This record gives sequence, C-alpha cells and structure tokens, in this order.
Amino acid sequence: DAGVTQSPTHLIKTRGQQVTLRCSPISGHKSVSWYQQVLGQGPQFIFQYYEKEERGRGNFPDRFSARQFPNYSSELNVNALLLGDSALYLCASSLGPGTYSGANVLTFGAGSRLTVL
Amino acid sequence: AQSVTQLDSQVPVFEEAPVELRCNYSSSVSVYLFWYVQYPNQGLQLLLKYLSGSTLVKGINGFEAEFNKSQTSFHLRKPSVHISDTAEYFCAVRSKEYIFGTGTRLKVLA
Repeated sequence: DAGVTQSPTHLIKTRGQQVTLRCSPISGHKSVSWYQQVLGQGPQFIFQYYEKEERGRGNFPDRFSARQFPNYSSELNVNALLLGDSALYLCASSLGPGTYSGANVLTFGAGSRLTVL
Repeated sequence: AQSVTQLDSQVPVFEEAPVELRCNYSSSVSVYLFWYVQYPNQGLQLLLKYLSGSTLVKGINGFEAEFNKSQTSFHLRKPSVHISDTAEYFCAVRSKEYIFGTGTRLKVLA
C-alpha cells in the first residue's frame, strides 16, 4: 500500500509569490492534516480537514489556506510568501478527526521543502 | 494551552549503551501521547503511542516509554542503541490537536 504522498518534494519561490502543495492520504484515511516544520523546530499544526470540511486551524495567518477533495486528497496554498515561510511542510493522514484509537494515529508523508528567497 | 517540553536538545550516547529521552507535557485533561522519529530528509515515523491502559508502552525498534500521570511525563527509553538510531525524536500530545515538542537529536557514537 502506498503511504502518504506529497508533491513537490522541493521547490524554490521568491517573496510575494504563491505556492500550492499537494497531498494524497493513505487509502481509507479520510482526514488530512498539515504541519509546518521550521528548521530545528517541531512540527506546528496548520490545518485539519475531514470529509472536505475544516475541522481545526492553527495559529497561522489568512495567507494560508487549504482544501480537501472528494477523493480525500488535499492542497495547501500559501499566498504572498515571506522569507519566514521557508520550511518543511508535512502532510499527515488519519482515519478520522475523533478521539477513538484509529483516529489518533497520524501517518506522515516525507514533506515538501519550500525555500523562499 | 497545552505544551510539550523536551528538555534535551541533543543526546550523544555510545553504541550499545542505554538511552533515555525526556518528555514532559502540561495538560489538565486526558491526553494521548506519542513519540515520533525523523530521519534526515524524511517525514515523521510513529515509534509508539499511549492511548489508555498499561502505562508501559512498547514500540518499534526496541523502544519503550512510560506514561507517568503524576509527573506528567512520557520518557522514551532503549536499553541498547545502534548507530542506525541516530535521528531526531519528537514527543507529541493530542487532545484536540497534536502539539509537538522541539525535538531531541540522538547521536549514537561508535
């Protein structure tokens, strides 16, 4: 079975540009979460989506947006890029957003490394 | 707000020696606790999890952790490390969402 897949793996943008990152969850997983990992830090929660609806949002500006498609894949969009947006963006999937056992386990992709110049 | 503290940013240890990576969390409600490992240029891989039941949790690659509610800790241990265990280790807590610690870089020395 394929794991969580993310694309692109690496990309370079300049300040002010916009970027779209893509994520395909594990088959059968209906929830996708996005995390930002700045060098030397732990992952920071950005969004969680379940059944195409936003279920949670971290402390990130409105320049960050996301959506989930009927096939449960997801996109993360970042507008008006800043130097500080340079990071590894991780996507994770899980069965659902609730508190039962299966929904609590996140499976991560390898990430998309964004460099903003 | 919940928080996770990993007191050691780096832990050097010789091969075949035991290791403990410390994690403390702050929460007044029931939580679920996790340890993830991240190898260079990769995503995070689940090592083990505590959801309920026995406070001693065994994970992959010979790692284990003990949930201590009174001390709000979830320390990770391995009795004998290998060179291949060199990686970044993250403790995480989840109630409404996942909160990760800042990570501990384990460096196993030959």
